Amino acid sequence: GQNIDQPTEMTATEGAIVQINCTYQTSGFNGLFWYQQHAGEAPTFLSYNVLDGLEEKGRFSSFLSRSKGYSYLLLKELQMKDSASYLCAVNQAGTALIFGKGTTLSVSS
Amino acid sequence: DVKVTQSSRYLVKRTGEKVFLECVQDMDHENMFWYRQDPGLGLRLIYFSYDVKMKEKGDIPEGYSVSREKKERFSLILESASTNQTSMYLCASSFGTSGSTDTQYFGPGTRLTVL
Repeated sequence: GQNIDQPTEMTATEGAIVQINCTYQTSGFNGLFWYQQHAGEAPTFLSYNVLDGLEEKGRFSSFLSRSKGYSYLLLKELQMKDSASYLCAVNQAGTALIFGKGTTLSVSS
Repeated sequence: DVKVTQSSRYLVKRTGEKVFLECVQDMDHENMFWYRQDPGLGLRLIYFSYDVKMKEKGDIPEGYSVSREKKERFSLILESASTNQTSMYLCASSFGTSGSTDTQYFGPGTRLTVL
């Protein structure tokens, strides 16, 4: 079967670093995406990994280990506006993505 | 910038009504998708299309149909709306079928309430 697991909720304080984990079991793998979704808004693309290793983009980084079926999104220097849901999604093969249920991150001052 | 638009942000319909949700993208993307998003269940794929007049069932197609007569437009149809179809409906599009071109761009969503 196919399964994508992420923690349901996380909390952190402004200025801190937070790591959101995602584990996946899928019949194929053609890349992993992270999306950010603020309450009441559409998901927006954050990052894409297809090879093992770390991809850095400003305050956000994403890591992938294909052998372990594992990824994480690292958010540094947290800001209040980072309070949102973070969605992990896997492309098994072909067109469609499989989404995890999302992790709701709350950042407090 | 990719732009995906949906016909309504909020919609209220009655049980048994036929409901049309429209989605338009302006980036000449091949692929278009319809999802519903419910608390605790995440994004679930209803239908997708990889070409004009082509459609594929997603994970939860029951009670829905779709139409793609033009490349830029993908419609979701609820033949006879039921209360369990009350949800947030999100449309997305993507350029191709390989690597980062699979990045999906989402519309703002339609919050549908069926009474």
